[in-house]
Amino acid sequence: DQQVKQNSPSLSVQEGRISILNCDYTNSMFDYFLWYKKYPAEGPTFLISISSIKDKNEDGRFTVFLNKSAKHLSLHIVPSQPGDSAVYFCAANSGGSNYKLTFGKGTLLTVNP
Amino acid sequence: EAQVTQNPRYLITVTGKKLTVTCSQNMNHEYMSWYRQDPGLGLRQIYYSMNVEVTDKGDVPEGYKVSRKEKRNFPLILESPSPNQTSLYFCASSSTHRTDTQYFGPGTRLTVL
Repeated sequence: DQQVKQNSPSLSVQEGRISILNCDYTNSMFDYFLWYKKYPAEGPTFLISISSIKDKNEDGRFTVFLNKSAKHLSLHIVPSQPGDSAVYFCAANSGGSNYKLTFGKGTLLTVNP
Repeated sequence: EAQVTQNPRYLITVTGKKLTVTCSQNMNHEYMSWYRQDPGLGLRQIYYSMNVEVTDKGDVPEGYKVSRKEKRNFPLILESPSPNQTSLYFCASSSTHRTDTQYFGPGTRLTVL
């Protein structure tokens, strides 16, 4: 049973446009959500996170939106750059003494020049 | 430089031949974890450790062992590797105060023939 779902395996966007990556979750105990970015031949790197007490968190070109009622979050990248081309993983954590991160399958973003 | 290192980066072995993948971090992190990444399955947690001598199973622990004798090291042991353990393995670490923001190693690509 997949608790964190990224239903789009890939996404292609033109440079300068907005990239929107989506993530759905089923576990209502999740209260902290993260996005990781992964380039080929490297480990994932932390990108941005959001607590369930917020509905938006912004960091430069990256914004994460959380809709708790829909159990949905999205990552917006504006403007998209070719260097953003990577696999993006959505992850969730249920906080407290549970330190486990549950990851989605990832979405491959390609930003075309 | 703060980093998580893994060795070897690439390994081809045969069924049943015991192997160890080492993981070391220089950030004095309490929390360490092993993941495997498989096509279409994303990142799945194998084992994790909250501190020295404290380890616990993740989602896919079968066929793996770990130990945490020192804070900086968290080796992954495959006592009798099988072809279904062919995968890309990542070690990660974080402070227990911020286990959401995990730092990942570069990965170890293991092939079991």
